[in-house]
Amino acid sequence: EVQLVESGGGLVRPGGSLRLSCAASGFTFSTYSMNWVRQAPGKGPEWVSYISSSGGYINNANSLEGRFTISRDNAKNSLYLQMNSLRAEDTAVYYCARVRAKAGTDSFDYWGQGTLVTVSS
Amino acid sequence: DIQMTQSPSTLSASVGDRVTITCRATQKIHPWLAWYQQKPGKAPRLLISDASNLESGVPSRFSATGSGTEFTLTISSLQPDDIATYFCQHYNNYLYTFGQGTKLEIK
Repeated sequence: EVQLVESGGGLVRPGGSLRLSCAASGFTFSTYSMNWVRQAPGKGPEWVSYISSSGGYINNANSLEGRFTISRDNAKNSLYLQMNSLRAEDTAVYYCARVRAKAGTDSFDYWGQGTLVTVSS
Repeated sequence: DIQMTQSPSTLSASVGDRVTITCRATQKIHPWLAWYQQKPGKAPRLLISDASNLESGVPSRFSATGSGTEFTLTISSLQPDDIATYFCQHYNNYLYTFGQGTKLEIK
């Protein structure tokens, strides 16, 4: 069974940093591209960042202004999101999501349960 | 950037009704469109990929069609378990854009 389990969320002050993790199991993690998607309270999902299966290609939403960095460790079956210079508008549930196809751009067929990040003083 | 607009934002229907949700893109995007169902407190669930392909395990009362810039998700006979918010998503060139969502309520 495919499982994605996020962790690392919490309350952080504006300007602070946080590192999210996503532990993957039930599939060959190293052969799938992955993403981070966030969802602010009462809003629709917003794509944050993409990383290819090898980690060799990364793409980020323009709105992040370079503050977030996605990475992965295929030996540990883990995905990460380093978030710096956090703002109140970054408050959201953060999900990791698997790309459906093993090649190219595709929809997201598995999602984690999400981890809540709250940015507030 | 391509923008995705869903309509209506909220839809109230009765059990057994045929329900249609529309998603419009600001540019031609066919067939790179997916539909998701999200229940409160849960992650989105993939229903449809590539504009019209039903994912495994999704009830056959769900269907989707469309081309170019206009796409629709249809539930042929609304069931209580279908109460949720539905999102469309465009994907291409490692960029992803979601619609703002359609909240489906029971009348």
